[in-house]
Amino acid sequence: QKEVEQDPGPLSVPEGAIVSLNCTYSNSAFQYFMWYRQYSRKGPELLMYTYSSGNKEDGRFTAQVDKSSKYISLFIRDSQPSDSATYLCARTLVAQKLVFGQGTRLTINP
Amino acid sequence: DTEVTQTPKHLVMGMTNKKSLKCEQHMGHRAMYWYKQKAKKPPELMFVYSYEKLSINESVPSRFSPECPNSSLLNLHLHALQPEDSALYLCASSRKTISADTQYFGPGTRLTVL
Repeated sequence: QKEVEQDPGPLSVPEGAIVSLNCTYSNSAFQYFMWYRQYSRKGPELLMYTYSSGNKEDGRFTAQVDKSSKYISLFIRDSQPSDSATYLCARTLVAQKLVFGQGTRLTINP
Repeated sequence: DTEVTQTPKHLVMGMTNKKSLKCEQHMGHRAMYWYKQKAKKPPELMFVYSYEKLSINESVPSRFSPECPNSSLLNLHLHALQPEDSALYLCASSRKTISADTQYFGPGTRLTVL
């Protein structure tokens, strides 16, 4: 079983829609959760990180963690074509290891 | 400023060549990382340096040789690579050396092995 499961998509939505990206994880050890955005042929860019259950908001982005169900989500409000990218969820393991989900390819259509 | 820089952006090499990838950060981060990313796959950890010492080697073949000359610089020396080593090589850094710290990535070096 993979440490982090993420639907690779692709996901295509119209501009202005609310986007929901989701991951599940299997290990309950103390950890941080992160969302990275990666444009084609670029390095991953850190969007948000959190370690507690509940919501964390930053502009149009909201990260949600539900530790009871081992579920993490990223919501994008008022989606823009510039949000088109691959979104990677990640969690930390022991000894500085960061484990990524498969990444979801998102396209926002004008 | 959360910038990690990598050079070169692109590299094409033959299987008998020796080349090096460079990574630099001036954020005072004490941990630096090398990742390998194949197309449509997530990054995979290769090496971790903490306080300029190698702390993690994820069973990477010896044809990849990391080096951390100082706290700001990280190199990856390449020798006798195989075509399947073609990938995007990403460098990252984090402020702390504990597991629960965010990592910041560079733009990557796209490597092609002929």
